[in-house]
Amino acid sequence: AQSVTQLGSHVSVSEGALVLLRCNYSSSVPPYLFWYVQYPNQGLQLLLKYTSAATLVKGINGFEAEFKKSETSFHLTKPSAHMSDAAEYFCAVSEGAAGNKLTFGGGTRVLVKP
Amino acid sequence: ETGVTQSPTHLIKTRGQQVTLRCSSQSGHNTVSWYQQALGQGPQFIFQYYREEENGRGNFPPRFSGLQFPNYSSELNVNALELDDSALYLCASSLVRGSDSPLHFGNGTRLTVT
Repeated sequence: AQSVTQLGSHVSVSEGALVLLRCNYSSSVPPYLFWYVQYPNQGLQLLLKYTSAATLVKGINGFEAEFKKSETSFHLTKPSAHMSDAAEYFCAVSEGAAGNKLTFGGGTRVLVKP
Repeated sequence: ETGVTQSPTHLIKTRGQQVTLRCSSQSGHNTVSWYQQALGQGPQFIFQYYREEENGRGNFPPRFSGLQFPNYSSELNVNALELDDSALYLCASSLVRGSDSPLHFGNGTRLTVT
């Protein structure tokens, strides 16, 4: 069975500061890892994904994430927060053999202060 | 290209009733998945359909059932509604049945059971 843990249900950052969202996963097979963003009253939008190519993955809106197998982590970062980054962020892992069923973490809500 | 559309956007039902939620997949996508997102939590996988057949199911009881039609649109049916079924129901489509195939989510249907 796979699982995802996101440390911190809420994160508050100042505009222009670094955004760091933590994600640790558990998987018995090589994982496929994803970060999604959810704005209020909307569905989820894919930010980036790791599929066993480069360990540093660049996504949309200036976000990037680094896959660290030894730490079973896939933390999301953005060097400089913008007000439009206020949203909820979900880390997810996909089962290798069972199709693209996703197991999501509990989410981290980001608040950006001016 | 049109994205994933879900209807209705909001729905209120009474405990014990039945409900049908609808989803139109993104153009060209042949796989559809349904997720339940309770308030303050990450989405949970309900089931996936590929070429009109169920292709994987999460930990949900049989009163949660689905259909996929030849045009790849889909329905989620829930019988004997319980209060805990109150949630945002998300539909997601993808092009192929593969672990690294990104999902495209709709904006969801907010179901309230009273």
